[in-house]
Amino acid sequence: GQQLNQSPQSMFIQEGEDVSMNCTSSSIFNTWLWYKQDPGEGPVLLIALYKAGELTSNGRLTAQFGTTRKDSFLNISASIPSDVGIYFCAGQEGLGGSQGNLIFGKGTKLSVKP
Amino acid sequence: DADVTQTPRNRITKTGKRIMLECSQTKGHDRMYWYRQDPGLGLRLIYYSFDVKDINKGEISDGYSVSRQAQAKFSLSLESAIPNQTALYFCATSAPYTDTQYFGPGTRLTVL
Repeated sequence: GQQLNQSPQSMFIQEGEDVSMNCTSSSIFNTWLWYKQDPGEGPVLLIALYKAGELTSNGRLTAQFGTTRKDSFLNISASIPSDVGIYFCAGQEGLGGSQGNLIFGKGTKLSVKP
Repeated sequence: DADVTQTPRNRITKTGKRIMLECSQTKGHDRMYWYRQDPGLGLRLIYYSFDVKDINKGEISDGYSVSRQAQAKFSLSLESAIPNQTALYFCATSAPYTDTQYFGPGTRLTVL
């Protein structure tokens, strides 16, 4: 089935550094979502993108819907220890709520050293 | 109170046992989902339901069954658990014609 390639798989950074991660797909997506999962918890939605080229921010987080509609990027500025967790991208091929459900990347595990 | 709840949060069982994981939501969403998470594999869809009378298989439905007892309740069953079903299981909900899914806290299942 359809898969998303999410990279990097893991990152170990110093507090205060900026972080970038991305997802790519072989097919066009109409929606890109970014989730964060804290240890022992379920994923929580960070940012939703619905339009090619869209750039959306949520505090120190910024995500972009690639112009080709086959990729998306998430940036975290000035990382802090509570940014630790696993970040997932998810994409939707069809229109909202169609049979083509969300497809998830395998996640980027972020570790932050104080 | 949490919008999406899952019970139990942790379960250890033996091979061959029947297990039921339950999910309840107070968001009023019609759509509910069950996912499985394994280390390094992300989230994989097991079953989904767009309303009480609608049940659909996901990517990895073999060995699982579901029941949508009401709009707010969606249960996942393992009829005869096997060790490779050891994983984290998440329930999620979404409103019709939207892509945003809201996840429960997860159930950690261990099959010995």
